[in-house]
Amino acid sequence: ETGVTQTPRHLVMGMTNKKSLKCEQHLGHNAMYWYKQSAKKPLELMFVYNFKEQTENNSVPSRFSPECPNSSHLFLHLHTLQPEDSALYLCASSQDPLAGGLETQYFGPGTRLLVL
Amino acid sequence: GENVEQHPSTLSVQEGDSAVIKCTYSDSASNYFPWYKQELGKGPQLIIDIRSNVGEKKDQRIAVTLNKTAKHFSLHITETQPEDSAVYFCAASTNSAGGTSYGKLTFGQGTILTVHP
Repeated sequence: ETGVTQTPRHLVMGMTNKKSLKCEQHLGHNAMYWYKQSAKKPLELMFVYNFKEQTENNSVPSRFSPECPNSSHLFLHLHTLQPEDSALYLCASSQDPLAGGLETQYFGPGTRLLVL
Repeated sequence: GENVEQHPSTLSVQEGDSAVIKCTYSDSASNYFPWYKQELGKGPQLIIDIRSNVGEKKDQRIAVTLNKTAKHFSLHITETQPEDSAVYFCAASTNSAGGTSYGKLTFGQGTILTVHP
């Protein structure tokens, strides 16, 4: 778990706030992911970055804006969220599967987000 | 796209008993099937995985079986211990250059396993 870190661990924000979630991986991976985990629902893939390029946007609303400045860091910028966006946001990383690497994804501890 | 169904949603066993969690998937091109364990306040941690060229894989008290014809795979935990209590997720992924879901995991809904001392 210490290979992927996320900050903050907990966040409470109002619907008009702007905040950012940060993820950092220390595993030398080239792919990074954002997932949303809501109660009683499967993990939902939001975004995938491969070598800093976004390769997947799983129909995520524009109030979620990802940023990947390098292969080790991933951000999720949040603005004008809704209460239903309250969830655990998980970051993961893996070796680049396009280069025949492993598909195993390593997860961070998540950020517990509450939107009031 | 891929769809993964996981059962049961909750499972309660006595310490020392075995626990079995089953998953089915829809995309016959899926060829990688990991299992994750998520403890309270933590992210999912990989506990075992299997690829489509293998029917069974064991790691101490944990085993996974795969039936590609029936498109289902199962997690078996033997001699369960209270520290096995957690939420378990199965997932399926396609890792082929020609596919559109390259390296993309689709997760099941999760199973809450409780092991009573």
